[in-house]
Amino acid sequence: QQPVQSPQAVILREGEDAVINCSSSKALYSVHWYRQKHGEAPVFLMILLKGGEQKGHDKISASFNEKKQQSSLYLTASQLSYSGTYFCGTEPGNQFYFGTGTSLTVIP
Amino acid sequence: EAGVAQSPRYKIIEKRQSVAFWCNPISGHATLYWYQQILGQGPKLLIQFQNNGVVDDSQLPKDRFSAERLKGVDSTLKIQPAKLEDSAVYLCASSLTLGTPRDEQYFGPGTRLTVT
Repeated sequence: QQPVQSPQAVILREGEDAVINCSSSKALYSVHWYRQKHGEAPVFLMILLKGGEQKGHDKISASFNEKKQQSSLYLTASQLSYSGTYFCGTEPGNQFYFGTGTSLTVIP
Repeated sequence: EAGVAQSPRYKIIEKRQSVAFWCNPISGHATLYWYQQILGQGPKLLIQFQNNGVVDDSQLPKDRFSAERLKGVDSTLKIQPAKLEDSAVYLCASSLTLGTPRDEQYFGPGTRLTVT
């Protein structure tokens, strides 16, 4: 039930772009994205709904392919503050599952 | 507005001992979650409450874990007896309500439990 993310880890230089993917084996109504910095709690980034509606972060974009049960998070012109572990979250039924996580490191 | 409060922040116990964690959600938030996050993994949802009722506890190891949310505000998660594999960060989160899709979750700082 846990969604699988790729890549597991990525290192970027400031200003570079990155794409983080999330794939589920279950039909999805929505996908949530969170970022967790080392030693801190996860922080909500955005939610994507079927039909294309999005709610969340102004500087981060994402896509949601309902048919493929996949979502991608696009980080453009990365900043040092983007470093952390990114988790997608899916909600089949009453449950909520965080993904396997993607560690992103932005270096100067 | 005040965030989600948790205590203690750190706890070290021996196996077979018991431990309790406390969470105070954001004022007005009806939904409360407890997660277990093992080092290097994503948070795993243990139990979720809507007001003082349990919505889902299918991933809670009920032989040793228990949780309650009396009066629909504060919540306590207990482990008795603890095992070595319970070593993890226990995160509490709250959201305004539990709709479809669910609202964004606000997380507390977590309690880091070490079982020796």
